[in-house]
Amino acid sequence: DQQVKQNSPSLSVQEGRISILNCDYTNSMFDYFLWYKKYPAEGPTFLISISSIKDKNEDGRFTVFLNKSAKHLSLHIVPSQPGDSAVYFCAASGSGSGYALNFGKGTSLLVTP
Amino acid sequence: EAQVTQNPRYLITVTGKKLTVTCSQNMNHEYMSWYRQDPGLGLRQIYYSMNVEVTDKGDVPEGYKVSRKEKRNFPLILESPSPNQTSLYFCASSLGLNEKLFFGSGTQLSVL
Repeated sequence: DQQVKQNSPSLSVQEGRISILNCDYTNSMFDYFLWYKKYPAEGPTFLISISSIKDKNEDGRFTVFLNKSAKHLSLHIVPSQPGDSAVYFCAASGSGSGYALNFGKGTSLLVTP
Repeated sequence: EAQVTQNPRYLITVTGKKLTVTCSQNMNHEYMSWYRQDPGLGLRQIYYSMNVEVTDKGDVPEGYKVSRKEKRNFPLILESPSPNQTSLYFCASSLGLNEKLFFGSGTQLSVL
């Protein structure tokens, strides 16, 4: 069963606006969360991560928020740029999964000029 | 340059013809893994390896084999490919469990 869920298969945002990508998880033993970005014909690349001891981590235009009580995390991209158009995968790991990374199905982000 | 290298990038084969997809990493990573990506299903783990000679099944291991004879290499073997193994395959490596993964560029496999 899917332990990491990205319920929005796609998202379209105008350039300059905020993109918010959401992710929910079911395993309360997950304690490390990551976002990966994937362009067509390339492998996923690491974007940003957060551990369960924090509720926010920021790296330039990218911020990840973690709400442990809701088992929810989100990725904010501000401001969005056309080059951000890609598929974004949420992933989680912890003792409950044997520390293997569990991936969501991905959200395809399109940033329009 | 630190990287995970997969070969080939594209492969078309026929049902039942054994094939191997190679994977090599130059980062001295302990952990290596294979994933397949299918539309609507995301990334699913096939097999992983914690270290040399240590391999284990992921979520979708049926029809696949792996070996880890050397730290840097982790080939994926399809002994008798079937059309349902048509997919995009990614090899990945990391320092260990609970660490970020570095992915190869992918191998698009078509089994006719």
